[in-house]
This record gives sequence, structure tokens and C-alpha cells, in this order.
Amino acid sequence: TQLLEQSPQFLSIQEGENLTVYCNSSSVFSSLQWYRQEPGEGPVLLVTVVTGGEVKKLKRLTFQFGDARKDSSLHITAAQPGDTGLYLCAQSWEIYNQGGKLIFGQGTELSVKP
Amino acid sequence: DADVTQTPRNRITKTGKRIMLECSQTKGHDRMYWYRQDPGLGLRLIYYSFDVKDINKGEISDGYSVSRQAQAKFSLSLESAIPNQTALYFCATSDPGGQGFSGANVLTFGAGSRLTVL
Repeated sequence: TQLLEQSPQFLSIQEGENLTVYCNSSSVFSSLQWYRQEPGEGPVLLVTVVTGGEVKKLKRLTFQFGDARKDSSLHITAAQPGDTGLYLCAQSWEIYNQGGKLIFGQGTELSVKP
Repeated sequence: DADVTQTPRNRITKTGKRIMLECSQTKGHDRMYWYRQDPGLGLRLIYYSFDVKDINKGEISDGYSVSRQAQAKFSLSLESAIPNQTALYFCATSDPGGQGFSGANVLTFGAGSRLTVL
């Protein structure tokens, strides 16, 4: 059962354009993480958001956590070919990690053309 | 050396064969995980282990088994491989320490093991 919905699944844009990727759930997150995966490698953590309404910035990437902690977005400004990759959101339910499992969305495949 | 090492990186096998994918880590983390990745489905949890004596099933454990030989080693076995087990498999580790109230469980992944079952 897919509990996290990411959209869009595929995105192909030109260098310099802006884009937003969305991650939604019917459940409240205790925390949400965004990972980026390049071909031939495992996912690498970009950011963790914890507090409803939280906004975090990582250079040209802006991550937002919804006020109700049921959705999140990733916005990339002036995309570059080096941003190409698979972006994954992951949801953690348990506070204090009694469970500690992460459930992943299906991913957004981003291609930025020069 | 990588923090999380998976072997083999690529494997082609035939239906019915037994396959073992191995994972070792130098992070000193207690928690280890096996995920499977298929196009359009993201990462799905197969098994996880919070310490050497703890093994738990994930979302899709049928057809798989695991062994936690030591804190640093966690292997995944397919007793009788079938074609729909063709996928990219990832091992990951995490350390719950230092997370504070958030409970955010950050994973460190290996580079993956691509398995093809003919």
C-alpha cells in the first residue's frame, strides 16, 4: 500500500527553469525527509523537516512542511543539469523511533536539459 | 571505503536459484534495513533489524529471508529466486541517537545491488 504520493512522477525541464515537487499523505508525519538519488548510487539525504510550517533552504532548493504535517514540497530555483536525479520523500511515523521505519514515496524523476 | 558496502553490485541468475546479497557497514550503527526499488514504486521495505538479536518483517518480506551475523553485517537471501524479484536492492543503516524529540531516522544507503532473475 502506497501511503505517500509524490507528484509529478516525471519532470523534464530546461536549465534555468523553476520546478516544484509535491509529497502528500493522508497521515500526519512525525517527520519527513527528502532524499536525492543519482544513477548507480543509493539515495542521499537532503533535508529533514519536523515542525508544521517549517521552511528549510539548501542553496537553490527550498523545502516546505505543511502546517498540518501531512504534505511537503521541494522547490528548485533555476534548475541546473546537476540537479538531474530521482527525488524521494520519506515519512517517519514514530516519535522517539520506537519503530524507526521510513516509508518512501514513489519518487520524482527529474531531468534538466542544458 | 564506503560506509555501507553491498556485494555483489550486479547479479544475473536463473529462476529457482538461491541468492544472497550481503551488506556490511563501518558506521557502527545498530539499525540495518533492506529495501527493494522498482521503477515507479519508490523504495519498499523488505526486512529491518534494530540489533543483532532483532529481525522484523517489512512491507514485502514474502520470498525473502535475512540474517544479522554481526552488528556490521546484514545479508538478504532469496531462497528460490523468481523473475518478479528482479529489482535494485538497497541496504541502509541508521543511528537513532541524537535525533531529539523529532524521532527523525536518517538512513545511510549502500550503492545498491542490481539483481536480474531470468
